[in-house]
Amino acid sequence: EAGVAQSPRYKIIEKRQSVAFWCNPISGHATLYWYQQILGQGPKLLIQFQNNGVVDDSQLPKDRFSAERLKGVDSTLKIQPAKLEDSAVYLCASSWYGQNTDTQYFGPGTRLTVL
Amino acid sequence: RKEVEQDPGPFNVPEGATVAFNCTYSNSASQSFFWYRQDCRKEPKLLMSVYSSGNEDGRFTAQLNRASQYISLLIRDSKLSDSATYLCVVNRGTGGFKTIFGAGTRLFVKA
Repeated sequence: EAGVAQSPRYKIIEKRQSVAFWCNPISGHATLYWYQQILGQGPKLLIQFQNNGVVDDSQLPKDRFSAERLKGVDSTLKIQPAKLEDSAVYLCASSWYGQNTDTQYFGPGTRLTVL
Repeated sequence: RKEVEQDPGPFNVPEGATVAFNCTYSNSASQSFFWYRQDCRKEPKLLMSVYSSGNEDGRFTAQLNRASQYISLLIRDSKLSDSATYLCVVNRGTGGFKTIFGAGTRLFVKA
């Protein structure tokens, strides 16, 4: 079974530029999550989708971050404009049903460096 | 205060040692609990779910104490391959839940 796919794996940009990340969850998984993991910290949930609807985006900095999950499958996360403090690994995860007992399966992440 | 707090570590132990990690959570609405493992520069992977009755998987034992709001992970007979960061994870809420990760505890197992 294919895992969660993410691209690109690495991205280096200058501050104030824009960047987009893509995620393809495990086939059939209804729930998709985007996390931000800063070095030395645990992942922080940015947004959670159930199919193509948003369940939680309370920690998404909406002035610069946006995310969508068209057709309830793939998802993109965008940052515009980027700040130095956005340097982190952006992890996408998916799970079957969106129940709080679900296992979340993570992709390899996109490592973003903002200069 | 963070909603999920873990022992800061790192823990440096010899092979064969027993090591225990603790995690506390502050929100009593927390419903489900997990330990994830994260290797260096890799993604987190589920190690085990944590149940009120406690659960064991080989050398790993997880315990949950809802009254005191803490979770523990015990690793017996440590192996070199156990070296990783162990993340305590709490899901708060039921219908629309929220996932909160602790900062992780780093374990180094040495020969």
